[in-house]
Amino acid sequence: NAGVTQTPKFQVLKTGQSMTLQCAQDMNHNSMYWYRQDPGMGLRLIYYSASEGTTDKGEVPNGYNVSRLNKREFSLRLESAAPSQTSVYFCASSARGGGGGEKLFFGSGTQLSVL
Amino acid sequence: GQQLNQSPQSMFIQEGEDVSMNCTSSSIFNTWLWYKQDPGEGPVLLIALYKAGELTSNGRLTAQFGITRKDSFLNISASIPSDVGIYFCAGRKGGSEKLVFGKGTKLTVNP
Repeated sequence: NAGVTQTPKFQVLKTGQSMTLQCAQDMNHNSMYWYRQDPGMGLRLIYYSASEGTTDKGEVPNGYNVSRLNKREFSLRLESAAPSQTSVYFCASSARGGGGGEKLFFGSGTQLSVL
Repeated sequence: GQQLNQSPQSMFIQEGEDVSMNCTSSSIFNTWLWYKQDPGEGPVLLIALYKAGELTSNGRLTAQFGITRKDSFLNISASIPSDVGIYFCAGRKGGSEKLVFGKGTKLTVNP
């Protein structure tokens, strides 16, 4: 099983450029998430989708948009990249949104540098 | 902002030593989870805890859900070099769909 697959693995952008990070999961999970990881900051939630057709803001949503394309895919878009968005981005999925101690399964990350 | 205080930030130990780390909050959490992140990879779930006072083991790892529901602890016994990585605690409050993560404990094991 592939689990959670993210593309690309690495990306370098110039300030103002746009790009979309792709994420797909093959575990038939309802919920999907985008996190960013910065040194000393741990993992911070950008956006999440509790189920197909719904998306909600997390802790740090500014400068990002998301699309839950179908149950498998959840993309993250940077419309106008800024150096502050230099980070490692992780997509994750879980079997169910809401309560019950959900367990997140993470992709291997996208390292993004904005110059 | 983040609501979990994880400590220590980093640890440097010798192979064979035991390790303890903890996560605290001013709020009550209904679920605690511990993740490990290897370099260049995403976090992987180690242990999930669902009840206050619960003590759960996974091999050499043992985690506890604090009885106040405001903290959790992770212990690693007889550390080995492959234990290196960043360990994250995560918690979920009742009625919330989201996990909150600690800032991580970076573990280095010297052979």
